[in-house]
Amino acid sequence: QKEVEQDPGPLSVPEGAIVSLNCTYSNSAFQYFMWYRQYSRKGPELLMYTYSSGNKEDGRFTAQVDKSSKYISLFIRDSQPSDSATYLCAMSDGSSASKIIFGSGTRLSIRP
Amino acid sequence: NAGVTQTPKFRILKIGQSMTLQCTQDMNHNYMYWYRQDPGMGLKLIYYSVGAGITDKGEVPNGYNVSRSTTEDFPLRLELAAPSQTSVYFCASTDSGRAENIQYFGAGTRLSVL
Repeated sequence: QKEVEQDPGPLSVPEGAIVSLNCTYSNSAFQYFMWYRQYSRKGPELLMYTYSSGNKEDGRFTAQVDKSSKYISLFIRDSQPSDSATYLCAMSDGSSASKIIFGSGTRLSIRP
Repeated sequence: NAGVTQTPKFRILKIGQSMTLQCTQDMNHNYMYWYRQDPGMGLKLIYYSVGAGITDKGEVPNGYNVSRSTTEDFPLRLELAAPSQTSVYFCASTDSGRAENIQYFGAGTRLSVL
């Protein structure tokens, strides 16, 4: 079993739709949860991070962490074509040389 | 503000050739990392460094070597290139004082071994 599981997609939705991206994980020691966005032929860039359980909102983006279910989500409201990218979840236990475990990424396409 | 810079952007190697992928960061970060990204496989950690003179293996170190002589630079060496090393390579860095472990990535090096 992989430590972090993420549906690879691709996911295609119309502009303006609400998008839900999800990851599950197996290591209960993970404390820091991140979402990275990667545009085609670019490096990943941090979109949001959350510590422990709960919600965090930043503009049209909301990150949710449910540690009891070992499940994290990223919601995108009013999706735009510019949101088309691959989204990678990532997590860390906060120790061990700041190593991060990444999901495989979900490719998202927003249709105009 | 350059951040993490990787060179070259693209490279084609023949089987058995060697090359060095360059990575430099200007954020004075202690921690640096090398990942490879294969289609549908996410990012796999090759090597990492917690400071100048200190390196350690990640998940997939075979066929690679690294060195860290300065805080800024973390080159990745491929010896005897094999087709299995065809991938996109990313270098990243983070400030060791930040508990949230936010890593900053370069734009990547696309390598093909033929």
